[in-house]
Amino acid sequence: SAVISQKPSRDICQRGTSLTIQCQVDSQVTMMFWYRQQPGQSLTLIATANQGSEATYESGFVIDKFPISRPNLTFSTLTVSNMSPEDSSIYLCSVELDGTGVSYEQYFGPGTRLTVT
Amino acid sequence: QKEVEQNSGPLSVPEGAIASLNCTYSDRGSQSFFWYRQYSGKSPELIMSIYSNGDKEDGRFTAQLNKASQYVSLLIRDSQPSDSATYLCAVSSLWGGGFKTIFGAGTRLFVKA
Repeated sequence: SAVISQKPSRDICQRGTSLTIQCQVDSQVTMMFWYRQQPGQSLTLIATANQGSEATYESGFVIDKFPISRPNLTFSTLTVSNMSPEDSSIYLCSVELDGTGVSYEQYFGPGTRLTVT
Repeated sequence: QKEVEQNSGPLSVPEGAIASLNCTYSDRGSQSFFWYRQYSGKSPELIMSIYSNGDKEDGRFTAQLNKASQYVSLLIRDSQPSDSATYLCAVSSLWGGGFKTIFGAGTRLFVKA
């Protein structure tokens, strides 16, 4: 497995502002992902953070709203821009590790609980 | 649209019983299957991976895979109150040269002492 940390663990922000969430892994990984999980709901993939190139966004998520950086193989950031109360959620980063050579197991960071007022 | 379906529950079992959690998936080409446990307020934790038909046992947990029926299950033997959590089924398929993992909505399990 991998040790994954996220900062901040939680934050309360005013609408219209932006928050940058950091994700740090203790080893080099190729694949990093950002998810959102709203209360009582399952995980929704926001984007895949690609090292050295632009992130790949899922349908319904755009770069202007959720810019992502991936400067190296151990670190990524997700910014939630121009926040509204609808952005209140838990944001999770995950990494994919090669468990068998056939497929890749995902491990999650502890999450960032964001409340927008 | 690839889908992973789970009964949302809650599933309630008495302590010491077997808890059976089920999951179906739509993509017949799916190759890898995972079970995650998520305690309230915590992030998902990988507890089982299974790649071929049949059973895979790890302690009190047994994952079962039936690719013909597109069905994967998780059995928890001797259930304990500490097993009370939401269990997420995840299915990974080839997608655009890599793998894409789809998560189910999860089944809430309550183990009554």
